[in-house]
Parts: sequence; structure tokens; C-alpha cells
Amino acid sequence: DIVMTQTPLSSPVTLGQPASISCSSSQSLVHSDGNTYLSWLQQRPGQPPRLLIYKISNRFSGVPDRFSGSGAGTDFTLKISRVEAEDVGVYYCMQATQFPLYTFGQGTKLEI
Amino acid sequence: EVQLVESGGGLVQPGGSLRLSCAASGFTFSNYWMSWVRQAPGKGLEWVANIKPDGSEKYYVDSVKGRFTISRDNAKNSLYLQMNSLRAEDTAVYYCARDSPGVGIDYWGQGTLVTVSS
Repeated sequence: DIVMTQTPLSSPVTLGQPASISCSSSQSLVHSDGNTYLSWLQQRPGQPPRLLIYKISNRFSGVPDRFSGSGAGTDFTLKISRVEAEDVGVYYCMQATQFPLYTFGQGTKLEI
Repeated sequence: EVQLVESGGGLVQPGGSLRLSCAASGFTFSNYWMSWVRQAPGKGLEWVANIKPDGSEKYYVDSVKGRFTISRDNAKNSLYLQMNSLRAEDTAVYYCARDSPGVGIDYWGQGTLVTVSS
């Protein structure tokens, strides 16, 4: 199974400042079809997860453009250009390259 | 609008059984793989199981194989999770989620809490 590892596990941030979360996989996430199925999810307190980014860098419907994703192979990054109060929560990376089996990172808590 | 509404959670004793349901609307249910994902209290996300649109293929995380069964009724736009031989470590919020081609899991329900305790 592919193991997903996130750093840091907790990240204090300042409103209006950028934030960055890293995710690495135990093996390459490049699928045989050439795509890389790495997603980022946001979970606000008391809420279910919400998809932010898929296939490394594609923003899902309704996601603000202050969120961006990058990376390749085994190393990926989620960036928030200017943190807003509503961005507080836990962020997870998720691999879907091994579909139908999914695995998640441990989560990174973003706190003001 | 895609909606996924779980039900059936509750308190059950170790060794007991519970059946979770998920009512789907706002999309053509019979075209999509569907998943169950769980989250233990204060912990991260763990994918549990998923099922092919026609129900012919099912996959499970190792920790629930032989105890949990995922199923669906496309005529009722419903997904199910039959959980048997429940253990304390199965205590979690269980989310119903839609699998989307080329994306992975894209929509999530609000979740239903399962507590396994004597």
C-alpha cells in the first residue's frame, strides 16, 4: 500500500500571510495513464471533508484561487497565498493512483 | 446539487452488528463508484470500502475484510455498509462519498457516528 506522509502536522499561521503544507508518498503517484492522482482535502471544525485540489493542481468547483497545488512523482505541496480566518481546519492529501484503494495523509492542522 | 445523507449510526456492543445507509441525490447514482470513509474521534481519515457502479466489484481495507460488506441498490439510489463483529476500534464517524473518474473522492456526506462500547 502507498503510505502518505504530511509535514508539518501542525502549522500556526498569520491572517493575510501565505501557508504551505507538504505531502510525500512512499512510491511514485504517476499512474500508467500518465496522470498523477493526488488530491488535497480541507476539513473545517465539525464539518465533513471537502475536496480542494485534484490531480496535483486542479482546483475543484467553487474553490478560491488562493489555494494552489504543485509537485510531481512523490512530493507535493498545497499553498494558500493569503490565509483567511475560514481556512482554519485540517488539511489532508489523498492518493487515488492506486484506485480503487485510497490512502490519506495524517492531516495537517492549520491554526491562527 | 450532489447530496449524500447517511443514517443508521448509533451505540452498539462489541461483537454486535449495524447497517449504515446512504441516500444519494443530485446525480446519476448508477454511474458512479461509491465509497465509505471513516474517521475515529480526533483522528484522521481512513478509506473503508468501495463498490463499482453495477455492484460487481467491491474492495475493502484489510482491517474490515470478512466483517464489513458494502452494497448498493441503484433503483433506490442507496449505498449500504453492513458491519458485523464490531470492535471498539471501529468507533468512528462514517462518511458516504462519491468516487469520480479522474478525480478520486469528490463529494462527501455529513457522516453518521458509530460507537462500539459496552
